Formats: sequence, C-alpha cells, structure tokens
Amino acid sequence: GDSVTQMEGPVTLSEEAFLTINCTYTATGYPSLFWYVQYPGEGLQLLLKATKADDKGSNKGFEATYRKETTSFHLEKGSVQVSDSAVYFCALSEAGGFKTIFGAGTRLFVKA
Amino acid sequence: DGGITQSPKYLFRKEGQNVTLSCEQNLNHDAMYWYRQDPGQGLRLIYYSQIVNDFQKGDIAEGYSVSREKKESFPLTVTSAQKNPTAFYLCASSTNQGRTEAFFGQGTRLTVV
Repeated sequence: GDSVTQMEGPVTLSEEAFLTINCTYTATGYPSLFWYVQYPGEGLQLLLKATKADDKGSNKGFEATYRKETTSFHLEKGSVQVSDSAVYFCALSEAGGFKTIFGAGTRLFVKA
Repeated sequence: DGGITQSPKYLFRKEGQNVTLSCEQNLNHDAMYWYRQDPGQGLRLIYYSQIVNDFQKGDIAEGYSVSREKKESFPLTVTSAQKNPTAFYLCASSTNQGRTEAFFGQGTRLTVV
C-alpha cells in the first residue's frame, strides 16, 4: 500500500540556519504531495502542496519539489526562525482514493 | 469563513464514563476523519466516513464509536472500553475525489481523571 517516510526528529537548528527535512513516498498511482505544519496544541495546517512531477510548492519561505524519479518531496527553507518551531508532516493523496497518507512527523526546534 | 470546528478544546472525563467529541464542518466536504495523536507521536486513524450514513473503521477503532447522520457533522464517542483514552483528538475533512488536501480542526485534548 501507499506510504510516506520522513526523517526522524527532533531536528535542532540555530536561527537563520538552512533546513532540510527529507520525505520519500511509495504510491501505486500518481498522487498529490503535501507538507503540513502543526504548532504546539493546534491542529495541522497545510503548508504547501504539489500536484505533478517537477512542480515546486512554496509558502512562507518553505519550498518542496515533486521528484517523481526519486519519489521524494523534501522540505527546505533557507533561513529558519524561532517561530518555525513545530512538527512537520509529509503526506500524499492518491487519485481514485480519498484518504490522506501521513508520515510520522518531524519535530523542529529552532534556537535563538 | 469555511472551516472545521471541534469542541470542546479541553475535556476531562472520569474513568468508566463515555464522552462525545464534536466535529462540525461547513466546507461542504463529503469525507470526514478522526485521528488520535499521543505526545510526540504521529497521527493514527480512528474512523473515517466517505459519505453521509456510512463510515469505516480505521487502524485503532476499538473503544470508539461514530455516527454520520449529517454531512456537516461527525461526532466521536470515546467509550469506557477504550483503555487509554488520554490523547489529543483531531478531526479532518476533505473532498472524496482524491489528490486534494485535508482540512483539520484545532483538536480536543481529552484527559481521564
């Protein structure tokens, strides 16, 4: 079945450091790919998405590129802030299905 | 504004009692979901519903029950059969077309006292 694997956390960075959170997926079809963010005590919010190969999703300085050849959707940000501290979930949704498949989440701590 | 509303935000329950968590959406979505999240953990699917009057068990349905009598509403009951109910519960909705994002509520934190 479909699955999403993302790097284990926690990831601890200093402010203004470069962020990469790796995400790879397994899918039977041609899914859409998503990154969600969860701030402490809150629900998940969609951060960005990509719906076809080579698409780049971007939002709030974060970006991720849909790489079909490597089945990857790595999240990057050039300069993190303390306010980026949260849990990040990679996810996919298949055509013909409706459930979203989530990765295990990666907790990010950013130190001032 | 369209969205999903979960209530209450915090809930305390005595052992042996059933408790119902509310989830309402005005996004006109057909599909709705309940997830459980334990501290420092990911999401585990409890129940989901693709359409009104129909629902399916997820990965951890034991000790929980749901109903889907209206498109807008998908309440979750945590029964006394659930051995370890203290957790953060998240409700979500989406279209049932696939390849679209899910929208989440703000969550309900349930504590058994």
